[in-house]
Amino acid sequence: DAGVIQSPRHEVTEMGQEVTLRCKPISGHDYLFWYRQTMMRGLELLIYFNNNVPIDDSGMPEDRFSAKMPNASFSTLKIQPSEPRDSAVYFCASSSTSGAPYEQYFGPGTRLTVT
Amino acid sequence: AQSVTQLGSHVSVSEGALVLLRCNYSSSVPPYLFWYVQYPNQGLQLLLKYTSAATLVKGINGFEAEFKKSETSFHLTKPSAHMSDAAEYFCAVSEAQAGTALIFGKGTTLSVSS
Repeated sequence: DAGVIQSPRHEVTEMGQEVTLRCKPISGHDYLFWYRQTMMRGLELLIYFNNNVPIDDSGMPEDRFSAKMPNASFSTLKIQPSEPRDSAVYFCASSSTSGAPYEQYFGPGTRLTVT
Repeated sequence: AQSVTQLGSHVSVSEGALVLLRCNYSSSVPPYLFWYVQYPNQGLQLLLKYTSAATLVKGINGFEAEFKKSETSFHLTKPSAHMSDAAEYFCAVSEAQAGTALIFGKGTTLSVSS
């Protein structure tokens, strides 16, 4: 398996622009998580899905952030409008309730820079 | 609420020395505990996990960790450090239910000198 795939790997955008981050989970995994990593706050959970349904979005910082999972193999995290404080590395992770449950497999991350 | 505290944001050891990275957790339910490693510009990789089986858990790359309920600790050790062990290490906790989110500690950066 190719593992969790994220795109783009790097994104540089100007303040006010819309940013869309993409994630393809491991095939067969039924949980998908979005995390954000910053120096100040460390790794924070933003939102997670089970069988494409959002379960907990309490970590989404504000209404500028939205996430969707239209099918089992694709999820997006959108920021509109973007702000410099959104600069961070965004990770997607997936896990399965069968096989090796509780283990989350992380993608390589998307490094977002908002100028 | 669950939480994780990693003592020491930065640990430095010499090559061949013992590695000890400390993690204490707080959980109102039986926890599942994890150690992840992150190399520069990469995602997180699972080193090992505790899921209520053996309290001494062995992971990849010669690392192991011991779950001590009385001390609410899950410290990570390796008998002999290698230069390639230099990375950031994260301890994480989740409730003993499949699919619940991980709560991460702030991370500990391990430096290894020759």
